[in-house]
Amino acid sequence: DAGITQSPRHKVTETGTPVTLRCHQTENHRYMYWYRQDPGHGLRLIHYSYGVKDTDKGEVSDGYSVSRSKTEDFLLTLESATSSQTSVYFCAISEVVLTGFRNGYTFGSGTRLTVV
Amino acid sequence: QQPVQSPQAVILREGEDAVINCSSSKALYSVHWYRQKHGEAPVFLMILLKGGEQKGHEKISASFNEKKQQSSLYLTASQLSYSGTYFCGTLMNRDDKIIFGKGTRLHILP
Repeated sequence: DAGITQSPRHKVTETGTPVTLRCHQTENHRYMYWYRQDPGHGLRLIHYSYGVKDTDKGEVSDGYSVSRSKTEDFLLTLESATSSQTSVYFCAISEVVLTGFRNGYTFGSGTRLTVV
Repeated sequence: QQPVQSPQAVILREGEDAVINCSSSKALYSVHWYRQKHGEAPVFLMILLKGGEQKGHEKISASFNEKKQQSSLYLTASQLSYSGTYFCGTLMNRDDKIIFGKGTRLHILP
């Protein structure tokens, strides 16, 4: 299995505080993603990265920022946490295989974030 | 742009078959299928590229109708281990990001 870890696994934080979630991979994959999962909404894309310092917004990016200074690390920051950002956050990685198409995503174990 | 999955939920008895559908309003490059068990991360099942190919994984297979922008996941002779939520994800080109449907909850009874 691909090596991908998320930290922390659980976090409780107060409204208005900044929070940073970390995704670390050992597979040297180019593509990395942050999704949030909420009941009734499925998985929604927050931000994604196609390489070092190459990031872009997803469908629910407001209130979030990301950074990727190294291939292996993709950080998600909640600039000022709100209760609506209480969710489970998943990081995912993928790569283009030799046949030219993108392989399936491998997901991290998730971070359960509660904003009180 | 979010693909639409149907049904939202299915309850089956072990050994029965199920079909989960995924449809998009956009022209697609590929469709992914994932399964997520409660409290765990989604796990990749298979990918289908435009061209209508059908792929299989154990007793789980899928098809992709490029003209209709639809994909279906077939679970044959379902097992208890098949319980979970199934997500389809769609991409419009190779370098696109996956947009996931809202999921279909599948519950298998003994």
